[in-house]
Amino acid sequence: DAGVIQSPRHEVTEMGQEVTLRCKPISGHNSLFWYRQTMMRGLELLIYFNNNVPIDDSGMPEDRFSAKMPNASFSTLKIQPSEPRDSAVYFCASSFSGVDNEQFFGPGTRLTVL
Amino acid sequence: AQSVTQLDSHVSVSEGTPVLLRCNYSSSYSPSLFWYVQHPNKGLQLLLKYTSAATLVKGINGFEAEFKKSETSFHLTKPSAHMSDAAEYFCISNFGNEKLTFGTGTRLTIIP
Repeated sequence: DAGVIQSPRHEVTEMGQEVTLRCKPISGHNSLFWYRQTMMRGLELLIYFNNNVPIDDSGMPEDRFSAKMPNASFSTLKIQPSEPRDSAVYFCASSFSGVDNEQFFGPGTRLTVL
Repeated sequence: AQSVTQLDSHVSVSEGTPVLLRCNYSSSYSPSLFWYVQHPNKGLQLLLKYTSAATLVKGINGFEAEFKKSETSFHLTKPSAHMSDAAEYFCISNFGNEKLTFGTGTRLTIIP
């Protein structure tokens, strides 16, 4: 199993540009999570999906952030327009539904907004 | 409020000596608890999990943790530290739903 796949691994962009992060969950998993990690705030849940439906997006910082999951094998997190304070490592994780089931994390995308 | 507290932000041990990383939770019931490890520039990897079965949980790479309800603790231990154990460790819980509650992390340094 290839695990959770994220692309790109690194992204450097200028303020105001649109950024799209991509995630392919583990086949068969039906829950998908987007996290952001910074030194100041640690790991934060941005949004999660169950069976491709957004369940909780209360962690999405503002309207500049949006996430989609058009099918069970693909999700995107988009930032438009990007700002320097969005610089962080963004992780995608997937799991089988259920509180006892562990989440499997991808390697992350390191985003730098200049 | 339900929470997870990692009592040490940084732990240093000598190679070959025991490791103890402390975690306490606050909840009115027994949650599911996880320990994850994050090596530099990597994602989080599951070490072990507790889900109301055996209170002593064995994980990968020689790590284990004991769930103690009376102390609301879930400390992570390893008998003998290796250089490869140097990483950030997170105690994590979910309190009845799929949203994880993260501890602030403990950075483990191994002294040669």
